[in-house]
Amino acid sequence: EVQLVQSGAEVKKPGESLKISCQGSGYTFTNYWIGWVRQMPGKGLEWMGIIYPGDSDTRYSPSFQGQVTVSADKSISTAYLQWSSLEASDTAMYYCLRGGSSGYYFDYWGQGTLVTVSS
Amino acid sequence: EIVLTQSPGTLSLSPGERATLSCRASQRVSSSFLAWYQQKPGQAPRLLIYGASSRATDIPDRFSGSGSGTDFTLTISRLEPEDFAVYYCQHYGNSQWTFGQGTKVEIK
Repeated sequence: EVQLVQSGAEVKKPGESLKISCQGSGYTFTNYWIGWVRQMPGKGLEWMGIIYPGDSDTRYSPSFQGQVTVSADKSISTAYLQWSSLEASDTAMYYCLRGGSSGYYFDYWGQGTLVTVSS
Repeated sequence: EIVLTQSPGTLSLSPGERATLSCRASQRVSSSFLAWYQQKPGQAPRLLIYGASSRATDIPDRFSGSGSGTDFTLTISRLEPEDFAVYYCQHYGNSQWTFGQGTKVEIK
């Protein structure tokens, strides 16, 4: 059974750094893209970035380029999304997702990680 | 950059009725790269349709997708109580993945 299990909810202060994780299981981790999507409270889905763990090829949405870093450790089948300096506007639910066989759509989603940034 | 515009923003229907949701792209796109997702409150989205018209695993056949060029449609033939949710279309192109803003299907 394919599963993406994300790390738990985080409460941070503005200016702090953060790295959240997404561990894949039930499939060959290196053979599928892993992406990240933001969902701000009461809003829609925004694609942020994506990585191919097999060769670490990484792509970013122009809206998020330079704001976050997507990475992966294939030895432990885990992808990461990190911030160096959080802002209150980063408060949102973040989902990791697996690219389907073609990579053009997302066939499995993690349960989400809620990040709250507040002073 | 391709922009996906979904309409209507909210669709108010009764169980048993037919739902027709629209997704319009700002320029012509390949139907191979168009997908639809369903999101219920408090849950992660799930894939419904990929390649514009192929149902994902375990998706009931009351859900169907169609369209080409710039205009795509998700149809729910007869709404079940569990179908009231928010639906998103998504496109891939030029190493970018884009979502529409969503259509909420609510109980009338």
